[in-house]
Amino acid sequence: AQTVTQSQPEMSVQEAETVTLSCTYDTSESDYYLFWYKQPPSRQMILVIRQEAYKQQNATENRFSVNFQKAAKSFSLKISDSQLGDAAMYFCAYRSAGTSYGKLTFGQGTILTVHP
Amino acid sequence: NAGVMQNPRHLVRRRGQEARLRCSPMKGHSHVYWYRQLPEEGLKFMVYLQKENIIDESGMPKERFSAEFPKEGPSILRIQQVVRGDSAAYFCASSPLGPVEQYFGPGTRLTVT
Repeated sequence: AQTVTQSQPEMSVQEAETVTLSCTYDTSESDYYLFWYKQPPSRQMILVIRQEAYKQQNATENRFSVNFQKAAKSFSLKISDSQLGDAAMYFCAYRSAGTSYGKLTFGQGTILTVHP
Repeated sequence: NAGVMQNPRHLVRRRGQEARLRCSPMKGHSHVYWYRQLPEEGLKFMVYLQKENIIDESGMPKERFSAEFPKEGPSILRIQQVVRGDSAAYFCASSPLGPVEQYFGPGTRLTVT
């Protein structure tokens, strides 16, 4: 079974600064997808960024980028130019590309605080 | 295109009662997933359904929980004889056939008193 671990329960950053959230995962599969989701106080789950395991290039979405290290099974999220609206719980998630492709496996989450 | 709809948003039940949670997927989406989020924890997969079929229920508790996604109408997650440990936020997500992204609803917060 796949597992996802987020070792940072809480992180904080000053507005306009950069912060990196860590995520590691364990799998025996070679083809899969990784995601970062944001959950603000409203509890709505919002997809931030997606990475396909077969792609070597790191995904980028505006101020959000990832550092995907397949051999190390590491998938960190970098938020540049942090904004107050970035404050939320962030979840790393794994999804198989194989037969069990339905479910997402989530990490425990990292609470991000943004200081003005 | 309306997003994933869940109702009710908040549900209070006494121990022993039944809870019915509804999920209407996005238009054109035929895959529905249910997740549970206990306080201070991440989301845990419960069940994956397509229209009229349960594809993967490996995360569903063996007793008291059931789910359906009929040909017409919303997907229903049903919890019989609720206990305090069932208090959680229940999220539904949907996806169209093939693509990877799952789109989440706003969740239903169930409180068992």
